[in-house]
Amino acid sequence: GAVVSQHPSWVICKSGTSVKIECRSLDFQATTMFWYRQFPKQSLMLMATSNEGSKATYEQGVEKDKFLINHASLTLSTLTVTSAHPEDSSFYICSADGDGVNTDTQYFGPGTRLTVL
Amino acid sequence: TQLLEQSPQFLSIQEGENLTVYCNSSSVFSSLQWYRQEPGEGPVLLVTVVTGGEVKKLKRLTFQFGDARKDSSLHITAAQPGDTGLYLCAVRLNQGGKLIFGQGTELSVKP
Repeated sequence: GAVVSQHPSWVICKSGTSVKIECRSLDFQATTMFWYRQFPKQSLMLMATSNEGSKATYEQGVEKDKFLINHASLTLSTLTVTSAHPEDSSFYICSADGDGVNTDTQYFGPGTRLTVL
Repeated sequence: TQLLEQSPQFLSIQEGENLTVYCNSSSVFSSLQWYRQEPGEGPVLLVTVVTGGEVKKLKRLTFQFGDARKDSSLHITAAQPGDTGLYLCAVRLNQGGKLIFGQGTELSVKP
């Protein structure tokens, strides 16, 4: 149990286009989900906390208008990278809090590799 | 300033060697977690330590939480190529709060 999926697993897009990444909790409900970005050979950097039914909370330095987060249901959060540029190329990972499963554990998705040409 | 300072950041060793990775902070935490991540995948939780001085073992991996709950270490005995990966320590700032990661230790074990 407690599986988190991401779609797509990888995406290549042209500069200036928008890309949507989905994060789903498959067998549990997640009131809170988190979005991370990871550059090669580096650690995970938290971008934002996604709360079901309310606005996301962004970390300092993360542009909320560029990285749109929607958490419309208890099993789905989406991250849209708007007007993507090559510097947005990265590995994006989501995680979900284990509501009712193990509230001290975050369950991570497999990540989405974004390449902007 | 990093909340969690991990060292070393890169480690390349031969199969059979032992190694220790450190995760240090000036803050006190109620618990600390260690993750392992392979390329192109999400991190996988290895262990959570919650008590000062606690030692947990997972096969050839030994995790220790400092007495003051400010630091932790991961020791791998007789490393194998399958241990290769990125090791991350992490803490939650409060119950249900965000998870903050250390810089990570990139481990390469050569056969």
